[in-house]
Amino acid sequence: LAKTTQPISMDSYEGQEVNITCSHNNIATNDYITWYQQFPSQGPRFIIQGYKTKVTNEVASLFIPADRKSSTLSLPRVSLSDTAVYYCLVGAPPGGGNKLTFGTGTQLKVEL
Amino acid sequence: KAGVTQTPRYLIKTRGQQVTLSCSPISGHRSVSWYQQTPGQGLQFLFEYFSETQRNKGNFPGRFSGRQFSNSRSEMNVSTLELGDSALYLCASRTSGSNEQFFGPGTRLTVL
Repeated sequence: LAKTTQPISMDSYEGQEVNITCSHNNIATNDYITWYQQFPSQGPRFIIQGYKTKVTNEVASLFIPADRKSSTLSLPRVSLSDTAVYYCLVGAPPGGGNKLTFGTGTQLKVEL
Repeated sequence: KAGVTQTPRYLIKTRGQQVTLSCSPISGHRSVSWYQQTPGQGLQFLFEYFSETQRNKGNFPGRFSGRQFSNSRSEMNVSTLELGDSALYLCASRTSGSNEQFFGPGTRLTVL
């Protein structure tokens, strides 16, 4: 299973863009990159998933370079409610199994 | 559509006892996965069930077992509880063609 490395914590202020980078040097050809968000005492919530290049949805963007050994989650104009732990995962393609490995995550703290 | 539900939400047991946790997935989701979350080890994958069959298994001892019923509801059982089994146990469901997991609120198990 591909191991991921993320910063343990990050601090930001409301209205700023936050970029969280994840390293996954041993990513397999079939692996997708997925990001989850978790608030205290809640289960993780899916944010975004991608395979290569750039993916954007209504809450975030995911940038994946050509070698796919890293990825960057970009949160535009964060607010206090974005304070949470963000997990980067690499794992099987959709429908291909679900043995996903969560890393230690990045604790994002957003202040006024 | 109702989300993933888990019962009970909180549980206190003593060492040596056994416990059964229940998870009801989102309607139509046939895959159910279980995770253990502790402050020291983070989120760890236990196992995944699909159509009543265990499809993937994490690195946990045989004291941890699970099953899935024909209506996709799943149960997880832990026998001979140890203090280290105290954790938040999360259940997640997904459709067969997607990697997007929907997590329940978890069951907080405390072993005394």
